Amino acid sequence: AQSVTQPDIHITVSEGASLELRCNYSYGATPYLFWYVQSPGQGLQLLLKYFSGDTLVQGIKGFEAEFKRSQSSFNLRKPSVHWSDAAEYFCAVGAGGAGNMLTFGGGTRLMVKP
Amino acid sequence: DTAVSQTPKYLVTQMGNDKSIKCEQNLGHDTMYWYKQDSKKFLKIMFSYNNKELIINETVPNRFSPKSPDKAHLNLHINSLELGDSAVYFCASRSSGNEQFFGPGTRLTVL
Repeated sequence: AQSVTQPDIHITVSEGASLELRCNYSYGATPYLFWYVQSPGQGLQLLLKYFSGDTLVQGIKGFEAEFKRSQSSFNLRKPSVHWSDAAEYFCAVGAGGAGNMLTFGGGTRLMVKP
Repeated sequence: DTAVSQTPKYLVTQMGNDKSIKCEQNLGHDTMYWYKQDSKKFLKIMFSYNNKELIINETVPNRFSPKSPDKAHLNLHINSLELGDSAVYFCASRSSGNEQFFGPGTRLTVL
């Protein structure tokens, strides 16, 4: 069975600083990988996804993520954080079969200092 | 023009009651899901439903049952509500490109 670990429960960065959120997954084959963002009281919005091909993927709101098979990682990055990026971020892995249900990491709460 | 909608947004009820949460998607997707987010923000899949094929997460109590009147709707019915059922429930639908689109969530509080 697949699993996802987000080692950082909370991260605080200053506005304008760079950001990296870590995600490690466990899955037997090539996974479908996703990053979602959840603002307080809101649903989940897809930031970006990786299925195959180029291991550096671009998403919305200036985010990118890099798939590293050797490290079983899919870290999310942003070069310059804005105050509006403060939210909860979830990494997820989806298996191709069995309904393609997503397994989520525990989430990382991002706080942005002015 | 909301893609995935859920009603109600908030639901407060007593232990032992039976309640339903409705979900509708206007994206034309074939597969829909229910997820549960607990008080620690942990998200867990409950069900996957595709063309009358139901895949159930084995940890979900049988008090929970999804009902799909048609391809655009997947409702969640919960019998004999317990305190531990308090959570935010998210509906999602999946595109042919394997992206899942989530509804805004229903916050269920069991007293």
